[in-house]
Amino acid sequence: AQKITQTQPGMFVQEKEAVTLDCTYDTSDQSYGLFWYKQPSSGEMIFLIYQGSYDEQNATEGRYSLNFQKARKSANLVISASQLGDSAMYFCAFSWGKLQFGAGTQVVVTP
Amino acid sequence: DAGITQSPRYKITETGRQVTLMCHQTWSHSYMFWYRQDLGHGLRLIYYSAAADITDKGEVPDGYVVSRSKTENFPLTLESATRSQTSVYFCASSEAARGRTEAFFGQGTRLTVV
Repeated sequence: AQKITQTQPGMFVQEKEAVTLDCTYDTSDQSYGLFWYKQPSSGEMIFLIYQGSYDEQNATEGRYSLNFQKARKSANLVISASQLGDSAMYFCAFSWGKLQFGAGTQVVVTP
Repeated sequence: DAGITQSPRYKITETGRQVTLMCHQTWSHSYMFWYRQDLGHGLRLIYYSAAADITDKGEVPDGYVVSRSKTENFPLTLESATRSQTSVYFCASSEAARGRTEAFFGQGTRLTVV
């Protein structure tokens, strides 16, 4: 069975600094997708970024980039120039016919 | 209104009662998903559906029943609610389950079983 692991339950980051959120997955599939979602304290789920297993380049969306290392089965999210509004729970998700999520990382951005 | 809506937003029920959480989407997305969110566990997949009349179990299906007679609706039923089913439930939909097809989420239903 596929498994997604986010090893950082929580982290603090200073405003304007970059932060890396770890995500590893376990699969024998060759075709799959990786997503990152943000969940602020209001509770809604916000899509951030997608990486396909066959994409050769790392995905970027504004201040978000995905460090995809296929051989290591990792898909870390990098948030550059953190803002106070980035404080939220961040989830890594794996899509392989169904969509499964990791346990999440709580990020708190401090002034 | 376009989108995906869940009802009710909040529900308190008693142990042993049957309760149904509703999910409706207006995009005609093929795939729909039900998750529960509990502290420390992230979102865990309960059931999902690839199309009308096609459903399959996720990670934590025990105690839940789903149906999908129409593409736009995907209700989740707790046949005999237990306290361990107290959680926030999210419904989601997507065009497909592979490729760059992000899932769109409802607002969530906070269920308390007393």
